Amino acid sequence: NAGVTQTPKFQVLKTGQSMTLQCAQDMNHEYMSWYRQDPGMGLRLIHYSVGAGITDQGEVPNGYNVSRSTTEDFPLRLLSAAPSQTSVYFCASSYSKQGSSPLHFGNGTRLTVT
Amino acid sequence: AQSVTQPDIHITVSEGASLELRCNYSYGATPYLFWYVQSPGQGLQLLLKYFSGDTLVQGIKGFEAEFKRSQSSFNLRKPSVHWSDAAEYFCAVGAVFDGMRFGAGTRLTVKP
Repeated sequence: NAGVTQTPKFQVLKTGQSMTLQCAQDMNHEYMSWYRQDPGMGLRLIHYSVGAGITDQGEVPNGYNVSRSTTEDFPLRLLSAAPSQTSVYFCASSYSKQGSSPLHFGNGTRLTVT
Repeated sequence: AQSVTQPDIHITVSEGASLELRCNYSYGATPYLFWYVQSPGQGLQLLLKYFSGDTLVQGIKGFEAEFKRSQSSFNLRKPSVHWSDAAEYFCAVGAVFDGMRFGAGTRLTVKP
């Protein structure tokens, strides 16, 4: 049982480049989300999805796009990378959006934008 | 919206000593409360959770936490810390239909 799988583990981009962070889960969870982790700020929610075809913004959505075409996959796209997007990104899933449902996390993607 | 405060950014304890990590939350109703642990280079792992009932909850790795409604707190404790407990710890509060919010984290260093 793989759980939540994120790729790549590390990525370096130049300002203005685009890329997609991949996230897949094999637990049949309806809810998937993307967080960014910055020192002293904990985890902040970027975007989330409550099911295939449904996405919504979190606390810090600017500069990021998401889509959810299947239950399993929830990619995060950076259309034009900026140094402020240097961070560690975590994908997480749970069986529902309700706050009672614990999150299952991937191992993260460390992104550096130069 | 709910919010979480972890007052201690970094704590150092000696191996074998007791540990308490503080967490305060703000939420208008009874919250769902969680503690997660993050080892270096890893994602977050659930340590324990509180939904209702007994205010002292037990988790994995010998951790426990106590919910105190009057103080809006959910502090994490361990009687005797092991070197392998060195990690970053996050408190989180979940709200109905509003997902989960995390504190800024507390980094634990364990001295031999």
